[in-house]
Amino acid sequence: GAGVSQTPSNKVTEKGKYVELRCDPISGHTALYWYRQSLGQGPEFLIYFQGTGAADDSGLPNDRFFAVRPEGSVSTLKIQRTERGDSAVYLCASSLTSTREGPAGELFFGEGSRLTVL
Amino acid sequence: GDSVTQMEGPVTLSEEAFLTINCTYTATGYPSLFWYVQYPGEGLQLLLKATKADDKGSNKGFEATYRKETTSFHLEKGSVQVSDSAVYFCALSDNDMRFGAGTRLTVKP
Repeated sequence: GAGVSQTPSNKVTEKGKYVELRCDPISGHTALYWYRQSLGQGPEFLIYFQGTGAADDSGLPNDRFFAVRPEGSVSTLKIQRTERGDSAVYLCASSLTSTREGPAGELFFGEGSRLTVL
Repeated sequence: GDSVTQMEGPVTLSEEAFLTINCTYTATGYPSLFWYVQYPGEGLQLLLKATKADDKGSNKGFEATYRKETTSFHLEKGSVQVSDSAVYFCALSDNDMRFGAGTRLTVKP
């Protein structure tokens, strides 16, 4: 497709389980971002990739969260030992270019993956 | 750190009313400023942006002016439509993109 694709759209899991969320960015976009959005809040920055490397992972809340982008395209956000507080919508966005100072242009968002931890 | 504060909602207006959604920012550098919109059932999408002081971003009848002296980027539209009902997010980009909490707008016919 032409836009950012995220799967699954909904994920329900039990406390303590491992979860993977996938993002397929727009073809040719070098920058990829993960955000977390809780109910009634704006998107909260988690991590940003420029190509294959994580350029800024300062938003990851703790070491249970990890993300990879091995070939510079698809990215996977991995959450270990999930907790109820991890329940949120996880948003992925991509951008054609980026600089050390942040997104140089428009971010294109996917529709998100809604994670519910019971 | 850098942050954005926007007007709390929800905001309910009648069609053709004037809209203002306030946004102020705190930044150590010279960020770019954005308004993103999320229509029901859709992902966030860019509405407009401004990259330096005194720039005005505009799109779909919406406008916002980058005011360095008041550190503001208020969103305005002269005559809203039912189709403008959505959640609006103010954002700034310095080291990374940071978003406000969002303002839900409902426009009634």
